[in-house]
Amino acid sequence: NAGVTQTPKFQVLKTGQSMTLQCAQDMNHEYMSWYRQDPGMGLRLIHYSVGAGITDQGEVPNGYNVSRSTTEDFPLRLLSAAPSQTSVYFCASSYGGDGRNYGYTFGSGTRLTVV
Amino acid sequence: AQSVSQHNHHVILSEAASLELGCNYSYGGTVNLFWYVQYPGQHLQLLLKYFSGDPLVKGIKGFEAEFIKSKFSFNLRKPSVQWSDTAEYFCAVNLSGTYKYIFGTGTRLKVLA
Repeated sequence: NAGVTQTPKFQVLKTGQSMTLQCAQDMNHEYMSWYRQDPGMGLRLIHYSVGAGITDQGEVPNGYNVSRSTTEDFPLRLLSAAPSQTSVYFCASSYGGDGRNYGYTFGSGTRLTVV
Repeated sequence: AQSVSQHNHHVILSEAASLELGCNYSYGGTVNLFWYVQYPGQHLQLLLKYFSGDPLVKGIKGFEAEFIKSKFSFNLRKPSVQWSDTAEYFCAVNLSGTYKYIFGTGTRLKVLA
């Protein structure tokens, strides 16, 4: 049981480049979310999904796109990388029965540097 | 707007000292409450959670938390910390019946051997 798998673990991009951060979970969780973690700012929600085909914006969605074609996968796309997107990105999933979020399982993170 | 406050940003303790980390939230409705731990260089892991019932919740590694509804608080405690508890601790709130999940900014705990 792998849990939540994120790739790559490290990435360096040049300003203006695009890329996709991959996230996959094998726990059949309904909820999946992308967070970025920056020093002193905790975790900020970028985008989230409550099921296949359903996505919505979090508090810092600008510059990012997501899609959820299957329950398992929730990729995050950086459209045109900027230095302000240098951060550690975490994907998380949770079981969401009866309208509750039962607590997230996090991936191991992607450390992204934009130069 | 709803928010989660962790007033202690950095805490330094000696081994065997007792720990209490504060967490307060601002929301008038029903909430589900969580504490996560992030060890250096690792991802967040769920430490404990509260949905309903006994307001004193016990989690892994000897941690516990108490929900005090009148104070909108969910403080994390451990009677005797170890060097291996050095980590960052995050409080989080899920607004019941919604997908909304709010993290606090975290408390860095350093335990001196």
